[in-house]
Amino acid sequence: SQQGEEDPQALSIQEGENATMNCSYKTSINNLQWYRQNSGRGLVHLILIRSNEREKHSGRLRVTLDTSKKSSSLLITASRAADTASYFCATDSNFGNEKLTFGTGTRLTIIP
Amino acid sequence: NAGVTQTPKFQVLKTGQSMTLQCAQDMNHEYMSWYRQDPGMGLRLIHYSVGAGITDQGEVPNGYNVSRSTTEDFPLRLLSAAPSQTSVYFCASSKGLEETQYFGPGTRLLVL
Repeated sequence: SQQGEEDPQALSIQEGENATMNCSYKTSINNLQWYRQNSGRGLVHLILIRSNEREKHSGRLRVTLDTSKKSSSLLITASRAADTASYFCATDSNFGNEKLTFGTGTRLTIIP
Repeated sequence: NAGVTQTPKFQVLKTGQSMTLQCAQDMNHEYMSWYRQDPGMGLRLIHYSVGAGITDQGEVPNGYNVSRSTTEDFPLRLLSAAPSQTSVYFCASSKGLEETQYFGPGTRLLVL
């Protein structure tokens, strides 16, 4: 079964608005990563947040992590048409099984 | 650096045929993995390797074999293709599980 579940499954916003997507996971983790996938392409790493961190920024991206709720959010500010893509969270369990598991993704569409 | 390369880009097989999907990386990464991506299912881990000579099963390993004789290469073998294996396959590599995963461009497989 999937470790991570993104919410919403799909999101459409106007260019310039902020986009927020959420990820929930089931087991305790060491790290959580966010990836972007443009249609028909491989995934590209965006940001990694460790279990002892609560917030991290990278350019227009802001990621938060709440380990008590087993959830994370990705905020993209001042969205651009080029941000249109699918976004996935990925987690590695702290049970030492060396696996990275991905959620089902959020499909983000930026309307020009 | 070429990064992570995958061949072929597209393949059509008949049920029962076997084939090998190739994956290579030139970044001297220890961790390599194979995922399949199906609509609405996100990425599911098939097999992974933490170094040459070491492989382990992921979430959906049935019908697939892997080997890791060198650090650079991590081929995925379909033993007897089935229509249920129609999917897009991604190979990824990284320095370790807690590091950025670099994805290949994917192989689109159609099993008739």
